[in-house]
Amino acid sequence: GAVVSQHPSRVICKSGTSVKIECRSLDFQATTMFWYRQFPKQSLMLMATSNEGSKATYEQGVEKDKFLINHASLTLSTLTVTSAHPEDSSFYICSARVQAGSPLHFGNGTRLTVT
Amino acid sequence: GESVGLHLPTLSVQEGDNSIINCAYSNSASDYFIWYKQESGKGPQFIIDIRSNMDKRQGQRVTVLLNKTVKHLSLQIAATQPGDSAVYFCAETIRLRGGYNKLIFGAGTRLAVHP
Repeated sequence: GAVVSQHPSRVICKSGTSVKIECRSLDFQATTMFWYRQFPKQSLMLMATSNEGSKATYEQGVEKDKFLINHASLTLSTLTVTSAHPEDSSFYICSARVQAGSPLHFGNGTRLTVT
Repeated sequence: GESVGLHLPTLSVQEGDNSIINCAYSNSASDYFIWYKQESGKGPQFIIDIRSNMDKRQGQRVTVLLNKTVKHLSLQIAATQPGDSAVYFCAETIRLRGGYNKLIFGAGTRLAVHP
């Protein structure tokens, strides 16, 4: 149980375009999902906390107008990278938990390459 | 940002040996800690967790030790196998207002198991 699915697994886009990444909890409902970014050989950096039915909470230094997060249902959160630039190339990972106090379960990530 | 990792340190062990991976956490108020395993190109996978009211917890072939005095966590893997080769992250839960919490990752350690 507690499967988190992320789509797409890889995406290549041109500079200036926007890319949407989906995160779904397949067998549980998640009122809160989290989006992380990971650069090569580095740790996971929390970008934002996505709350169902309300605005996301962004970490310091993360541009909310560039990384649009929508959590329209209890099983789906989306991250849209707007006007992508090469420096946005990274591994984006979402996570969700069954309930407060339980471990986060992670998707398998999306490798974004901006050319 | 929080918990910025630079280049991952590597622990090299022989197959069959025990491995010990260490982690220092930052927030003395953190009360829930998790170890994750990340294989190349995938999201983190839950290994074991521990709450701050414990100092030791055992799973299958893994043991987590928590020393709150010096804010230190360790993960012990018994009889290390080639399939254990991965990057290991500790993570701490930081509580936010409104009952929410967020998970912050440590820098990570690469475990390389040699036959």
